[in-house]
Amino acid sequence: GESVGLHLPTLSVQEGDNSIINCAYSNSASDYFIWYKQESGKGPQFIIDIRSNMDKRQGQRVTVLLNKTVKHLSLQIAATQPGDSAVYFCAENIDSSASKIIFGSGTRLSIRP
Amino acid sequence: GAGVSQTPSNKVTEKGKYVELRCDPISGHTALYWYRQSLGQGPEFLIYFQGTGAADDSGLPNDRFFAVRPEGSVSTLKIQRTERGDSAVYLCASSLYEGSNEQFFGPGTRLTVL
Repeated sequence: GESVGLHLPTLSVQEGDNSIINCAYSNSASDYFIWYKQESGKGPQFIIDIRSNMDKRQGQRVTVLLNKTVKHLSLQIAATQPGDSAVYFCAENIDSSASKIIFGSGTRLSIRP
Repeated sequence: GAGVSQTPSNKVTEKGKYVELRCDPISGHTALYWYRQSLGQGPEFLIYFQGTGAADDSGLPNDRFFAVRPEGSVSTLKIQRTERGDSAVYLCASSLYEGSNEQFFGPGTRLTVL
């Protein structure tokens, strides 16, 4: 069925360290996996996506890894900054010809000074 | 440039009342989406429009919920006979084209049903 979940609800990281946010999914048929960031009081903001036929994709300070064998997705943030504090959602787009995105329940990332 | 805007930012109503929530998408974006977000949860898909037509309304919880986008730009989400369980943040998003993973979200309307 359609299911996107997260291993940890909260993550605390020292400023300057790398952050790794993990996500498990159950629908092997999804076309894309996506990460969104949501700051307090705001709507979610797109970070990066990865097509299901890829293993890795890099953006600015972020890397997404996809392991289809164990149905695992991760978001790595390099040199974490205070502005990275937010809730991070993994999501999946089951059919890229349509636009129905299924969101998981989120991981809160907090940054220690 | 201007992002997605939603009005009102907060709406408090009584059980049984009718409410309308408005979304102004980014100019030129053809696809528009409505989500509902409860505290501590991810956004839950409700409906999306491609142009004026509802391409997928499978997420609407029941027939009390209805949305329109008559001119392919502004959209209104309408909730009849509101219930306390309808209390949530209603998010609107738009994207340049249908199928895009990059959806641009508005700040949401916080609906409280007393």
